[in-house]
Amino acid sequence: QVQLQQWGAGLLKPSETLSLTCAVYGGSFSGYYWSWIRQPPGKGLEWIGEINHSGSTNYNPSLKSRVTISVDTSKNQFSLKLSSVTAADTAVYYCARVRTGTTPRYYYYGMDVWGQGTTVTVSS
Amino acid sequence: DIQLTQSPSFLSASVGDRVTITCRASQGISSYLAWYQQKPGKAPKLLIYAASTLQSGVPSRFSGSGSGTEFTLTISSLQPEDFATYYCQQPGTFGQGTKLEIK
Repeated sequence: QVQLQQWGAGLLKPSETLSLTCAVYGGSFSGYYWSWIRQPPGKGLEWIGEINHSGSTNYNPSLKSRVTISVDTSKNQFSLKLSSVTAADTAVYYCARVRTGTTPRYYYYGMDVWGQGTTVTVSS
Repeated sequence: DIQLTQSPSFLSASVGDRVTITCRASQGISSYLAWYQQKPGKAPKLLIYAASTLQSGVPSRFSGSGSGTEFTLTISSLQPEDFATYYCQQPGTFGQGTKLEIK
């Protein structure tokens, strides 16, 4: 059974860089995309971006200038960096497995496995 | 960018009721739509993918339909554990959510 375990700093000051990592246990790392999603307090879900095992990425245009998602296939891990954080970046951050691909044609089957969430607070 | 608009944003219903949540896309997205359930303090849970396919382990009282720009999530007979917030999602975008509360 696939499990995602995430970790990272929970308290940041404005202008610092948020850094989170998500490890994949018990399943294949290739053949999927791996995504980051966040949820500000009391608000809805916002997709941040995704990466596959080859390092191909897609980002939310509204965050693209500040986001970097990377992958370490030797450890079955992927990471999120968000630069120049402000209070507006305060949120619970989740990692998730995305079932999508292009063989034999494009398909999208949603995010079926999620991490436990990490609360990140940006405050001076 | 494609926008997803859910209606209603809030829904009050009773155990045993049949409820329907609608998700409208600002442009056609074929059947690339998923539905999630989220309870307070928990990660979202995938219910439906490809607009109408039930995720493994999800009760059959949940169903999805639609394609193109209009989609629905239906719960045929509400159970106490179904009171939660529901989100639709297409690649890259979530709807704003529908909070289902007990009447």
